[in-house]
Amino acid sequence: DAGVIQSPRHEVTEMGQEVTLRCKPISGHNSLFWYRQTMMRGLELLIYFNNNVPIDDSGMPEDRFSAKMPNASFSTLKIQPSEPRDSAVYFCASAAPGTSAYNEQFFGPGTRLTVL
Amino acid sequence: GDSVTQMEGPVTLSEEAFLTINCTYTATGYPSLFWYVQYPGEGLQLLLKATKADDKGSNKGFEATYRKETTSFHLEKGSVQVSDSAVYFCALSGAGNNRKLIWGLGTSLAVNP
Repeated sequence: DAGVIQSPRHEVTEMGQEVTLRCKPISGHNSLFWYRQTMMRGLELLIYFNNNVPIDDSGMPEDRFSAKMPNASFSTLKIQPSEPRDSAVYFCASAAPGTSAYNEQFFGPGTRLTVL
Repeated sequence: GDSVTQMEGPVTLSEEAFLTINCTYTATGYPSLFWYVQYPGEGLQLLLKATKADDKGSNKGFEATYRKETTSFHLEKGSVQVSDSAVYFCALSGAGNNRKLIWGLGTSLAVNP
């Protein structure tokens, strides 16, 4: 079974450009999470979806960030316009249906974003 | 609100040394507790978990016991290997149907041969 798939694995862009990160969760999983990881701030939850509906976006840093989940097998995280401080590794994770006692999240390999 | 506190790193050990990484938590209700590991250049992966008090999670020689009386979930391994060098994250589940995990800041472990 394929794990969580993220693309691209690496992205280098210039300040002001639009960046779109993509994620395909594990089939059958109904929760999807977007995280950002930096040395300075550690691992931060940006947003999570349950059954394709955004449940908590309190971690989205500002209006430049947006996330969508048009169907159960695809999600995007968009940054427009990008800034150098957005440079980080962005992880997508998914989780199977169930109660909080079984909240194992499965992480993708991450997208390393560099904004010049 | 719920929170997780991990010991700060980095932790540097020699191969075959004993490892303890402390994790304490604050939570309402009865959360489940998790340890995740992140190897260099990879995403996080679940190492072990415990869903109720006194449960012991174990995997790959690592163990952690859910201690409700001390609100702790310390990670231990009797003899570390160079391949255990990674960042370790403690986490707890939210209450009820909340799908979020509350994360510690991570502890970096370096094992020298």
